[in-house]
Amino acid sequence: AQSVTQLDSQVPVFEEAPVELRCNYSSSVSVYLFWYVQYPNQGLQLLLKYLSGSTLVESINGFEAEFNKSQTSFHLRKPSVHISDTAEYFCAVSEGASKIIFGSGTRLSIRP
Amino acid sequence: DTGVSQNPRHKITKRGQNVTFRCDPISEHNRLYWYRQTLGQGPEFLTYFQNEAQLEKSRLLSDRFSAERPKGSFSTLEIQRTEQGDSAMYLCAMGGSYEQYFGPGTRLTVT
Repeated sequence: AQSVTQLDSQVPVFEEAPVELRCNYSSSVSVYLFWYVQYPNQGLQLLLKYLSGSTLVESINGFEAEFNKSQTSFHLRKPSVHISDTAEYFCAVSEGASKIIFGSGTRLSIRP
Repeated sequence: DTGVSQNPRHKITKRGQNVTFRCDPISEHNRLYWYRQTLGQGPEFLTYFQNEAQLEKSRLLSDRFSAERPKGSFSTLEIQRTEQGDSAMYLCAMGGSYEQYFGPGTRLTVT
């Protein structure tokens, strides 16, 4: 069965500092990996996805994630965060067009 | 805008009452999903439609829950005899090639 582990429930960082949100998954077959973001009082938005090809994927707002098959990880990184990045971030996995399995989320809080 | 609308956005009901939520995709998608999200947790899968056929149901979907997608477009999720444990955000999503796009959700509070 698939599962997703987000080890950190909260990550506080200072503005303009780098950040890494960790995600590990388990699955017995090939997977598709996602990061979703939920800004305060807003719905879930797709931030980035890994389907195949290059293991490094990027979002339009400077986040990137790297698929590491040997470590079964898909950590999310940003070299310099902004106040507007304050949100909850969910790592997720699916095996195809069926359900997506989500992690429990990491709350990113940015200190000025 | 993900192209998915949900109504109502908020619902407060008394324990034991029935509630129904509606999901309207703005664009045509074959696959429609329902999830439930409780405070401090990620969304949990409830059920999934391809066109009007309900293809998968989670064990979370007790017999008090029923979902329909009668014409392969909009969908409804009904909860009968609500319990306080049903209080959550109910999310509808449409399926892209592999990813899913979520609506704003319906927040249910059972008192």
